[in-house]
Amino acid sequence: EDQVTQSPEALRLQEGESSSLNCSYTVSGLRGLFWYRQDPGKGPEFLFTLYSAGEEKEKERLKATLTKKESFLHITAPKPEDSATYLCAVPTGGGNKLTFGTGTQLKVEL
Amino acid sequence: NAGVMQNPRHLVRRRGQEARLRCSPMKGHSHVYWYRQLPEEGLKFMVYLQKENIIDESGMPKERFSAEFPKEGPSILRIQQVVRGDSAAYFCASSPRAGTAKNIQYFGAGTRLSVL
Repeated sequence: EDQVTQSPEALRLQEGESSSLNCSYTVSGLRGLFWYRQDPGKGPEFLFTLYSAGEEKEKERLKATLTKKESFLHITAPKPEDSATYLCAVPTGGGNKLTFGTGTQLKVEL
Repeated sequence: NAGVMQNPRHLVRRRGQEARLRCSPMKGHSHVYWYRQLPEEGLKFMVYLQKENIIDESGMPKERFSAEFPKEGPSILRIQQVVRGDSAAYFCASSPRAGTAKNIQYFGAGTRLSVL
């Protein structure tokens, strides 16, 4: 069965304190991996898509990497506005649906 | 360029009533997906539709739930005879293509259904 597991469930950082979020997956025939950000009361907002092991993508303070078994979302010098739930997802069922992890709830404090 | 539009944003129903959730995909997108997010759980796939066709409904409960995406107008997720367990946030996503690693799904703001 296709599975996506994220850790930690929750993370509290001080402003400027860098860290990494983990997403491990068990799928047959990986067709890419997606990172989304979700703010309370809103829908997931697309951040990155990674297609193959070794690939990296960056956007402002975020950097996503992908290996054959997991992906990391590195947050460098975070700010309070980076506080959100970060979700990772992989295409399954022929690529037509996304299987999501349960997310990492990040809180960045001053 | 408007994003994925969902309405209503909040919907309150009493047990036994019907709930209709609407989703207009992004301009140029012909693929629509519905997901459900229960309290304290992750997003779960429900159904994938193209215009006038249901492609994959493997995540839909067998009873009371149905979805459509007509030739004209928004996609509709319909829940008949709602029960308290149907209370959740329902999200719609759309994409310009499907079935490939480059298939980015863009999400709407969701409809939060509360069943009294």
